[in-house]
Amino acid sequence: EVQLVESGGGLVQPGGSLRLSCAASGFTFSKFWMTWVRQAPGKGLEWLANINQDGSVKFYADSVKGRFSISRDNAKNSVYLQMNSLRVEDTAVYSCEGGAAADFWGQGTLVTVSS
Amino acid sequence: QAVVTQEPSLTVSPGGTVTLTCGSSTGTVTSGHYTYWLQQKPGQVPRTLIYDTSNKHSWTPARFSGSLLGGKAALTLSGAQPEDEADYYCLLTYSGPWVFGGGTKLTVL
Repeated sequence: EVQLVESGGGLVQPGGSLRLSCAASGFTFSKFWMTWVRQAPGKGLEWLANINQDGSVKFYADSVKGRFSISRDNAKNSVYLQMNSLRVEDTAVYSCEGGAAADFWGQGTLVTVSS
Repeated sequence: QAVVTQEPSLTVSPGGTVTLTCGSSTGTVTSGHYTYWLQQKPGQVPRTLIYDTSNKHSWTPARFSGSLLGGKAALTLSGAQPEDEADYYCLLTYSGPWVFGGGTKLTVL
């Protein structure tokens, strides 16, 4: 069974940092691009970043460029999102996605940015 | 980055047909955008129905189909069922970066 399990969310003050993790199982992780997306409460989906199979190519949404960083560890079947300089508007459920055709989605982890 | 536009809401009668569209601020949507269509029901994880414009996953009901229509990507639902009531998001890829549309809330009524 394919699983993507995110962790690392929580409450953080504006300007703070968090590192999210996404652990994959049930598929050959190292073969696929991986992606982070988020969904603010009651809002739509927003793409944040993706990373290629060996981690050498990364793309970021303008809204997070320079603040967020995506990385992966194929030995641990995991992808990460380092989030710095967090803002109130970054409050959302953060999810990872993978597979050849957006096949697999995680349940997400909630990040709340508030003082 | 580009802006992707969808109808905010649509209503379809049970058994009816409806087409959702997805446009790009950069111009015509082509096969090179590798359009995805996702379905999300309240409290659930998104589920990808269509990829690469018109390809279906094994779990995609046959009543859903994807195409390019009039410069946009389109998702057609033929024979709507009550369980198809959901939010639908299109996703366009731009040679690496992705952009989601704002979503269409589909009501089956």
